[in-house]
Amino acid sequence: EVQLVESGGGLIQPGGSLRLSCAASGFTVSSNYMSWVRQAPGKGLEWVSVIYSGGSTYYADSVKGRFTISRDNSKNTLYLQMNSLRAEDTAVYYCARLGIAGQLVVWGQGTLVTVSS
Amino acid sequence: QSALTQPASVSGSPGQSITISCTGTSSDVGGYNYVSWYQQHPGKAPKLMIYDVSNRPSGVSNRFSGSKSGNTASLTISGLQAEDEADYYCSSYTSSSRVFGGGTKLTVL
Repeated sequence: EVQLVESGGGLIQPGGSLRLSCAASGFTVSSNYMSWVRQAPGKGLEWVSVIYSGGSTYYADSVKGRFTISRDNSKNTLYLQMNSLRAEDTAVYYCARLGIAGQLVVWGQGTLVTVSS
Repeated sequence: QSALTQPASVSGSPGQSITISCTGTSSDVGGYNYVSWYQQHPGKAPKLMIYDVSNRPSGVSNRFSGSKSGNTASLTISGLQAEDEADYYCSSYTSSSRVFGGGTKLTVL
């Protein structure tokens, strides 16, 4: 069964760092396009980052320079390293596998990140 | 990376049809046939309903259909059912990134 399970969320102070993990099963992360999408409480979806199978990465302007997307092929896991966190980064973070046309085909259940003092 | 424009809410009665619009620019919706639509029930992860403007993934009801004209994409749900009540988001490819609409809350009366 194709599945994504996020972990690593929690309460963190402004300026702090956090690393989110997304463990995949049923497919190979390194052979697919993978993304992170977030959703602030009561708000809409916001695309955060993508990593292509070839290793290229792209980021939303709101997180560029602060967040880094990566993967560990041996663990079949996607990561999102988040530094210099701000209150506005508070959200549920979803990882997702993309289809050929860039559609978000498989989603994880999400992990909540709360940035607050 | 400005968000695509969707109506905040739409409503319809069971059995009726509704259409949700998604307006962007020539740099996103109008420039590529990579528009997708997602359904999200409260507390749940989004679910892909339409991709490549008008394609349905396996398992999605044929009551859901998509189209595009210029810079505006549309999602039509026919034969509304109670379980269709949810938030709907459009998304488009745009120069190596993606952009979402603000979301539309569908109420089935």
